[in-house]
Amino acid sequence: DQQVKQNSPSLSVQEGRISILNCDYTNSMFDYFLWYKKYPAEGPTFLISISSIKDKNEDGRFTVFLNKSAKHLSLHIVPSQPGDSAVYFCAASALSNTDKLIFGTGTRLQVFP
Amino acid sequence: DAGVIQSPRHEVTEMGQEVTLRCKPISGHNSLFWYRQTMMRGLELLIYFNNNVPIDDSGMPEDRFSAKMPNASFSTLKIQPSEPRDSAVYFCASSLDEAEAFFGQGTRLTVV
Repeated sequence: DQQVKQNSPSLSVQEGRISILNCDYTNSMFDYFLWYKKYPAEGPTFLISISSIKDKNEDGRFTVFLNKSAKHLSLHIVPSQPGDSAVYFCAASALSNTDKLIFGTGTRLQVFP
Repeated sequence: DAGVIQSPRHEVTEMGQEVTLRCKPISGHNSLFWYRQTMMRGLELLIYFNNNVPIDDSGMPEDRFSAKMPNASFSTLKIQPSEPRDSAVYFCASSLDEAEAFFGQGTRLTVV
């Protein structure tokens, strides 16, 4: 049973445009959400996070939106750059158990010139 | 700090052989995680330790898998006997009292 779902395995975006990566979750106990970026042959690296008390968190070109009622979050990258091409993983945890991150299956983003 | 260090980076072994993956977490971190990445299931949590104690091993697929953390600076994930379906990239990660985990570069395991 996949508690964190990323239904789009891949996404292709032109440089300069907005990239929107989506993530859905089923466990209502989740209240902390993270995005990780992964390049080939490297481990995932932390990108941005949001707690359930917020609906938006912004860090430079990256913004994460959380819709708790829909159990949905999204990562917006604007403007997209070729260096953003990577696999993006959505992850979730319950603050009562902050040590345990549950990941989605990932979305491969390709930004072309 | 050099980050989370995993060894070996690549491992090719024959079916039935024992495989041991190693991890050195970031110094001072008190939680350590083992994940497996596959195309179908993404990053799956296999087991995690807090202060060297296994907290949740519900993700360990079978009894063939075992993990140990004898001290704060070292952990192993062992598969005995290995099977072709165990082929995947195995990641170790560590964290300190927070949800953000830092990952190693992974071990690509191929069982033939």
